[in-house]
Formats: sequence, C-alpha cells, structure tokens
Amino acid sequence: AQSVTQLDSQVPVFEEAPVELRCNYSSSVSVYLFWYVQYPNQGLQLLLKYLSGSTLVKGINGFEAEFNKSQTSFHLRKPSVHISDTAEYFCAVSGRGGATNKLIFGTGTLLAVQP
Amino acid sequence: DAGVIQSPRHEVTEMGQEVTLRCKPISGHDYLFWYRQTMMRGLELLIYFNNNVPIDDSGMPEDRFSAKMPNASFSTLKIQPSEPRDSAVYFCASSFRASGDGYTFGSGTRLTVV
Repeated sequence: AQSVTQLDSQVPVFEEAPVELRCNYSSSVSVYLFWYVQYPNQGLQLLLKYLSGSTLVKGINGFEAEFNKSQTSFHLRKPSVHISDTAEYFCAVSGRGGATNKLIFGTGTLLAVQP
Repeated sequence: DAGVIQSPRHEVTEMGQEVTLRCKPISGHDYLFWYRQTMMRGLELLIYFNNNVPIDDSGMPEDRFSAKMPNASFSTLKIQPSEPRDSAVYFCASSFRASGDGYTFGSGTRLTVV
C-alpha cells in the first residue's frame, strides 16, 4: 500500500518569491508520483507527473518537482510565484505496474500568495 | 474533448431526500472514480470502476450510498436518504488503463443537505 504526507497545510509567500511545497511518500513498490492543483470552486488539474527517467520533472505554469528516491520525496518548486498561483496543491502516488489504478492523495497544501 | 462532465454543479436538498449525482467520463477511459471532498477529511476515494465493473467500494461510507456504471459513458452516485453530514463536494474522475496517466477530474458537484 502507498501513503502520502504533505508536511505543510498552508504556505504563505510573497509575490515573485520562490516556493517549495513538500511531499513525502511511502510505498513497498516502485511508484508514479503526481502533483495536482485545485483553484477555488474547481476540480483538480494535473500539474506534473513523474513516471521514470529524469528525476527533475517540469510541469505547467512554471512548476517543477524533483523525485528523490532515497528520501522518498517529491517536492514541488517554483522560482517566482504569482498571485494567480494561489490554490490548493495535492501530491498523489500510485503503485507502478499494479493491478489497480488507485491514486492516493495527500491532504493538500494551500499556497497563499500575497502582494 | 469536453473532459469529465458532472451534473448538477450544485444541489441543495432536504434531509431524507434521495440525491443522484451524474458523471460522464472521457471517451476511451476505462477507469472511473468517485471522490468526496470536505474540509475535515480532505479527498476521500469512495468507489472506482474498471470497464464498468466496481472494483473497490471500501470507501463508501455506508449503505445509504450506492454507485452504478451501466455503460462506459455514464455513472451515478446515489445517496438515499441524504443527511446533513453528506454535505460535500463530490468529484468524478476518469483515466486510461495505465496508472501513469493520472486522472482527469470533473468540476464537481457541491451538495448541501439541509
């Protein structure tokens, strides 16, 4: 079974500052990793995903994440945030090559960008 | 592609009434998931289907909840009778076979039971 821990429930940051949202996972098998973003009153939208290969993954809106197998982490970063990045961000994991296709989501991190 | 389509967007109902939420997945996707989102519990997986067959319903909170997928393009989540604690946003999501594709979510149905 897999599990995901998002260490921060809320991250306040000023506009144009860099940000890192932390995600750690637990799994007995190899994994796929995802970050989703949820804007107010909307569904979840896929930001980026790690399947294999390069550990640095680039996504939409200037976000990137780095897979670190030894630390079982998949932190999300952006070098300079905008007001429009204010949203809830969810990390998710699924077991690779399993019979099921179930994504396990973290509890989410609210990114609050202030002017 | 229009994406995953959910209806209605908002539903307000009285306690004890039956509520039916609807979902149309992306054409060609063979997995369909129902999630519930609340402030207290976050995102909870209720049930998911593969090729219209329920695979795991362990997240369905109680017998008042039921879900069906009569064909590849339609699914329903029914609550009967509804209770105030069922108030939440219900999301439907679909995906193609490989788990590496991730999910595509609908816009959700905001349910309020008064």
